Amino acid sequence: EVQLLESGGGLVQPGGSLRLSCAASGITFSGFAMTWVRQAPGKGLEWVSSISGSGAATFHADSVKGRFTISRDNSKNTLYLQLSSLNAADTAVYYCVKWSGLYSERPGHFQLWGQGTLVTVSA
Amino acid sequence: QSALTQPASVSGSPGQSITISCTGTSSDVGGYNYVSWYQHHPGKAPKLMIHEVTNRPSGVSNRFSGSKSGNTASLTISGLQAEDEADYYCCSYTSSNTPVFGGGTKLTVL
Repeated sequence: EVQLLESGGGLVQPGGSLRLSCAASGITFSGFAMTWVRQAPGKGLEWVSSISGSGAATFHADSVKGRFTISRDNSKNTLYLQLSSLNAADTAVYYCVKWSGLYSERPGHFQLWGQGTLVTVSA
Repeated sequence: QSALTQPASVSGSPGQSITISCTGTSSDVGGYNYVSWYQHHPGKAPKLMIHEVTNRPSGVSNRFSGSKSGNTASLTISGLQAEDEADYYCCSYTSSNTPVFGGGTKLTVL
């Protein structure tokens, strides 16, 4: 069964850090770019970060650039998102999403979504 | 990159057809045939419904169809069913080589 399973969410204080993980199964993990998309409470979807299939190329939205780092371990079929310098605006459900192609900077679409993990930034 | 513009809400009765619009610019919707649509039932994983403007993934009902004219893309749902009630998001590839979502549309089946 094709599945993306996120973990690592939770409550963190402003200025704190957190690492999200996404375990993939049922897909040729290294053959696809992977992304993180988030949804703040009562808001719409927002693309956060992308990484190419090899991990050589990464991209981040301006709203998280310099604070979030996307990475992957193809030997473990796992995607990561390191979150740092967190603030209330980062409170959201974070979705791990498989991109339709090998390179996220090339046109495509979000092909398969995980269930999401909730990050709450609050004192 | 600014979010694409979608109506906040649309509604329709069972059996009717509805259309959700998604307006962008020549740097995103109008410039590329890479518009996709996602259905999101709250608390569940979003689901791809349409990609590359008009293409339906395997398993998605043919009641769902997509189109584009200029800087505006549209999702049409025909033969509306209760299970179609959800939030719908459009997304487009952009000239920045990154994707941008619309603000989302809440579909209510009356």
